[in-house]
Amino acid sequence: DVKVTQSSRYLVKRTGEKVFLECVQDMDHENMFWYRQDPGLGLRLIYFSYDVKMKEKGDIPEGYSVSREKKERFSLILESASTNQTSMYLCASSLKGFGYTFGSGTRLTVV
Amino acid sequence: RKEVEQDPGPFNVPEGATVAFNCTYSNSASQSFFWYRQDCRKEPKLLMSVYSSGNEDGRFTAQLNRASQYISLLIRDSKLSDSATYLCVVNEAKSGGSNYKLTFGKGTLLTVNP
Repeated sequence: DVKVTQSSRYLVKRTGEKVFLECVQDMDHENMFWYRQDPGLGLRLIYFSYDVKMKEKGDIPEGYSVSREKKERFSLILESASTNQTSMYLCASSLKGFGYTFGSGTRLTVV
Repeated sequence: RKEVEQDPGPFNVPEGATVAFNCTYSNSASQSFFWYRQDCRKEPKLLMSVYSSGNEDGRFTAQLNRASQYISLLIRDSKLSDSATYLCVVNEAKSGGSNYKLTFGKGTLLTVNP
């Protein structure tokens, strides 16, 4: 089975800190995605990447950046964390034409 | 019109009931369709893909109507363990390129009661 691993399950950061969320997949998938999930709002796409060093903005990219230097790793960066970025962050990967496999999520709290 | 719209729910049903979820999508060029299941405080997991001919996996049946841009999921003989949020998922088709993005509905919460 494909495994998508997110580096932290729970994270607490202070306002203004730079935050790195790491995601690694082990099945050579081309596509990788970062979502956030909030009650009542569902899953919202932040950024995605369909190849190394390629990235595209999703629906809510403001306040975030991403890095994909290697095919298996896709990092989400919160440049200056704010309290409205408190959320569940989910990474996913896929092959073209197939469904996603999600990581177990990182619950980030910004205080 | 929202890209993917689902029944708002929540659905509360007794064990053994049959329950149906409906979903509509706005992008007529969409080519791939899925149902995901998400347990409380867990990540979404693929339940089943949805094909034009309709497909069945045990107690679960998925249907696609391209003309109406409508997807459904039927759960027969529901179990307590079916309690979860069910997400309707549609790909965002783009001509050319190799990128591939899915759009998720907000989900419908199902609670199966003893």
